Amino acid sequence: AQRVTQPEKLLSVFKGAPVELKCNYSYSGSPELFWYVQYSRQRLQLLLRHISRESIKGFTADLNKGETSFHLKKPFAQEEDSAMYYCALKADSWGKLQFGAGTQVVVTP
Amino acid sequence: SQTIHQWPATLVQPVGSPLSLECTVEGTSNPNLYWYRQAAGRGLQLLFYSVGIGQISSEVPQNLSASRPQDRQFILSSKKLLLSDSGFYLCAWTMPGENTEAFFGQGTRLTVV
Repeated sequence: AQRVTQPEKLLSVFKGAPVELKCNYSYSGSPELFWYVQYSRQRLQLLLRHISRESIKGFTADLNKGETSFHLKKPFAQEEDSAMYYCALKADSWGKLQFGAGTQVVVTP
Repeated sequence: SQTIHQWPATLVQPVGSPLSLECTVEGTSNPNLYWYRQAAGRGLQLLFYSVGIGQISSEVPQNLSASRPQDRQFILSSKKLLLSDSGFYLCAWTMPGENTEAFFGQGTRLTVV
């Protein structure tokens, strides 16, 4: 069965420090992985997906199939990065998402 | 442009009362529709999904049901709420096919008392 694990419930970092949110998955096939973000008083929205291999708002995430990981990284955290981040796996063509428990990021000045 | 509306935003209901949460999508046709729930301290869990009118698939056994009476309308219901039904409910949609992202509604905070 597929599973997404985000081991950190809360991540507190200082502004300008690097931030890394961990995500590990279990899935026997070829997964499609995403990071979704929910800022305060806003809707859950897509941050980035592994197939795009792009950087969004300074964040990057690399799919490591050997380690079954999809960690989210940003070299210099900003206060506006404070939000709830969810790692998600899409394992079929129906668009169903398996979410991790989420990581709350707090960036302090 | 496409938009998704979900209401109400918050709801407090007594145990044993019925529930109806509604979600509508505008600006697209034949979307895939989903209901997710986030219980306290847990991640988002898929409850139901639908790939067409009248087609509902349930992901987990529960006290809830879903219906899709129209192409862009998705309803989450219960005949008798339980305390354990409390949580944050999110409606979402995607376009059918590969490499599509999910778009989420604003969510409904349900508290069963």
